[in-house]
Amino acid sequence: ETGVTQSPTHLIKTRGQQVTLRCSSQSGHNTVSWYQQALGQGPQFIFQYYREEENGRGNFPPRFSGLQFPNYSSELNVNALELDDSALYLCASSLGRDYLRNEQFFGPGTRLTVL
Amino acid sequence: AQTVTQSQPEMSVQEAETVTLSCTYDTSESDYYLFWYKQPPSRQMILVIRQEAYKQQNATENRFSVNFQKAAKSFSLKISDSQLGDAAMYFCAYRRGSGGGADGLTFGKGTHLIIQP
Repeated sequence: ETGVTQSPTHLIKTRGQQVTLRCSSQSGHNTVSWYQQALGQGPQFIFQYYREEENGRGNFPPRFSGLQFPNYSSELNVNALELDDSALYLCASSLGRDYLRNEQFFGPGTRLTVL
Repeated sequence: AQTVTQSQPEMSVQEAETVTLSCTYDTSESDYYLFWYKQPPSRQMILVIRQEAYKQQNATENRFSVNFQKAAKSFSLKISDSQLGDAAMYFCAYRRGSGGGADGLTFGKGTHLIIQP
């Protein structure tokens, strides 16, 4: 059983560019959540996808968007990058929306630096 | 909106000793869940322990236990017999319980735990 994987590990972009981050869920998991973790802070919830549909969103602007594919892998897209978007981006997968009963497994994250 | 506060940016403990990490939270909900996550230098968040608010009994997982004080909105983590592998950032997190929607977890800012050999 493979765990949650994310790619790339590190990424450097310039302000105004667009970026796509990828996440492969743990085998059999149909729910994925994305979090942004700024340096020295706890993660902040961006959004969650369940069976290819967004079913929850945190306080992030529309330039943060996502996709979930039929194989339950996921993408996080950020348009018009700003310096404050520099952070570690974590994805987490679980089986079913109710991850309170089904443990949520996190990936190792993608470190995004915006110059 | 709910908030989670970890007032100890850093804690240090001798190997084999016991350490307690503090967490307080603020919510108007009665149904919620609380979690402690560990984030080692590898960056991968690992669930340490979780507590359902409706359960009065404190959760325990091997060397890890919590002291859940619902009225005081306090949720501390006790690590007994500290080991070098326990060194990491520890995050307290909250999630609203049943009621629909996927709110995600609300995390505190974390406590950096140092284990002295």
